[in-house]
Amino acid sequence: GENVEQHPSTLSVQEGDSAVIKCTYSDSASNYFPWYKQELGKGPQLIIDIRSNVGEKKDQRIAVTLNKTAKHFSLHITETQPEDSAVYFCAAGGTSYDKVIFGPGTSLSVIP
Amino acid sequence: SAVISQKPSRDICQRGTSLTIQCQVDSQVTMMFWYRQQPGQSLTLIATANQGSEATYESGFVIDKFPISRPNLTFSTLTVSNMSPEDSSIYLCSGDRGQETQYFGPGTRLLVL
Repeated sequence: GENVEQHPSTLSVQEGDSAVIKCTYSDSASNYFPWYKQELGKGPQLIIDIRSNVGEKKDQRIAVTLNKTAKHFSLHITETQPEDSAVYFCAAGGTSYDKVIFGPGTSLSVIP
Repeated sequence: SAVISQKPSRDICQRGTSLTIQCQVDSQVTMMFWYRQQPGQSLTLIATANQGSEATYESGFVIDKFPISRPNLTFSTLTVSNMSPEDSSIYLCSGDRGQETQYFGPGTRLLVL
């Protein structure tokens, strides 16, 4: 089955700097890669996703890149703000309607 | 944004008892998913719930321990049976709401004493 790895497990950045989180997956049949942000006491919130027919996607300060050949994808957050502090999870699945397997998570702290 | 609600939001239960968690989606979805998130950990898929058929369980999870119902396209329940302290976790449901992505409920925080 699918296995998703994620690095780093913790990340601290100064406000205004960029943050990058990297994930790898094992199942070449995976075609859907969402990223979730989870704040304390809340359920995961989708922040961006990418499908295998796209190499890069951007939404304001957030971008995701996908290298399907190498089976890795990355989340880039620019101009970080204190409210970006949370745990971020990458995930991989067959399609957007299928189950997704989560990575172990990255705890991001943005220092004012 | 998606509206998925769960009841109860939290509960404290005695070992040996069972708790049923409800998940309600504001639109019809084909598949709903149940996850467990142990303290400080990632989400682990328990099972996939399809309407009109038995749930499909992931390795390490069995129907006797986590029976699931899916009576219609907007609702599902997960029961945690014969609970032990090791079942203390956050339980989350998700569904696609026909929007080609998975949305999550707020979770049910369970503490078993």
